[in-house]
Amino acid sequence: QKEVEQDPGPLSVPEGAIVSLNCTYSNSAFQYFMWYRQYSRKGPELLMYTYSSGNKEDGRFTAQVDKSSKYISLFIRDSQPSDSATYLCAMSAGTGGFKTIFGAGTRLFVKA
Amino acid sequence: DGGITQSPKYLFRKEGQNVTLSCEQNLNHDAMYWYRQDPGQGLRLIYYSQIVNDFQKGDIAEGYSVSREKKESFPLTVTSAQKNPTAFYLCASRPGTGGGQPQHFGDGTRLSIL
Repeated sequence: QKEVEQDPGPLSVPEGAIVSLNCTYSNSAFQYFMWYRQYSRKGPELLMYTYSSGNKEDGRFTAQVDKSSKYISLFIRDSQPSDSATYLCAMSAGTGGFKTIFGAGTRLFVKA
Repeated sequence: DGGITQSPKYLFRKEGQNVTLSCEQNLNHDAMYWYRQDPGQGLRLIYYSQIVNDFQKGDIAEGYSVSREKKESFPLTVTSAQKNPTAFYLCASRPGTGGGQPQHFGDGTRLSIL
């Protein structure tokens, strides 16, 4: 079993839809959780960064972490064609946690 | 602007040839990383360095080598021992060696076999 599981998609939605992207994980030591957006032929770009459980909102993006269920989510409101990309979840442990574990990424298409 | 610069963007390797991928950062970050990205497999860690003149193997180090002579630079050499080098290679850095500070990435080098 992989430490981090992420549905590869592709996920196709109409413009304006609410998008939900999810990851599950098995290591209870993870405390830092990230979402990256990766456009084709580009490096991943940090989108959201949260510590421990709870919600964090930034514009149209909301990140949720449920440590009791080992489940994290990224919601995109009012999705735009420019949101079409691959979204990678990532997580790392606390002190001494130099390694970051990445999900395989979910490919999202937002149709105009 | 601060960031991570990877070069070249595209690289072709002949059989039996070693090639070196460049990674330079001006973010004053201590830790640097090399990942390999293959379709459907996510990012796999090749090597990482937490401080100058020190580096450790990641999960798939065989056939690769690195050096860290300067804080800003972390070049990756893909040797002829790496039999399946075709992939997208990503360099990343983060501020410190502890805690969970997120990594920041360059725009990658795509390596192909001639």
